[in-house]
Amino acid sequence: DVVMTQSPLSLPVTLGQPASISCRSSQSLVYSDGNTYLNWFHQRPGQSPRRLIYKLSNRDSGVPDRFSGSGSGTYFTLKISRVEAEDVGVYYCMQGTHWPQVTFGQGTKLEIK
Amino acid sequence: EVQLVESGGGLVQPGGSLRLSCAASGFTFSSYWMNWVRQAPGKGLEWVATIKQDGSEKHHVDSVKGRFTISRDNPKNSLYLQMSSLRVEDTAVYYCARGGASGSDYWGQGTLVTVSS
Repeated sequence: DVVMTQSPLSLPVTLGQPASISCRSSQSLVYSDGNTYLNWFHQRPGQSPRRLIYKLSNRDSGVPDRFSGSGSGTYFTLKISRVEAEDVGVYYCMQGTHWPQVTFGQGTKLEIK
Repeated sequence: EVQLVESGGGLVQPGGSLRLSCAASGFTFSSYWMNWVRQAPGKGLEWVATIKQDGSEKHHVDSVKGRFTISRDNPKNSLYLQMSSLRVEDTAVYYCARGGASGSDYWGQGTLVTVSS
């Protein structure tokens, strides 16, 4: 199974400041079609997860452009250019390259300082 | 509007069975892979099972193989998870989610399954 490892697990951030979350995979996430099926989700307290980024760097509809995804191979990053209050919650990376064996990272809890 | 509404959760004793349902609307259900993803209290997300559009492929995480079975009824726009031989560690919120390798773009609100004596 592909293991996804996120860091940090806890991320206190001041409003208006940038934030960055890392995600490493135990195997390459480059698929034979050339795509990298690395996706990012956000879960606010008491809510269902919401997909933010799919296939490495594609923002979902309605996701602010302060969110961006990048990376290659086995190392990936989610960046928030300026953190807002609504960004609190837990962020998960998820690999779909080795579909149907999907795996998630442990989650990174973002809180406001 | 895409909607996924789970039902069937509840309290069950260890070794018991439960059947979860997910009613889908607002999209062509038969065109999508569908998934069950769970989240134990205070823990992260864990993929449980997935099923192909026509039901011809089913995959389950190792920890539930032989105990859980995913299925679907396309004319009824419904997804199911039959759970048997339930264990305390199966306690979680179970989400129905649409999508494949690019991750699930729509999720239900979840249904809580509690396995306890």
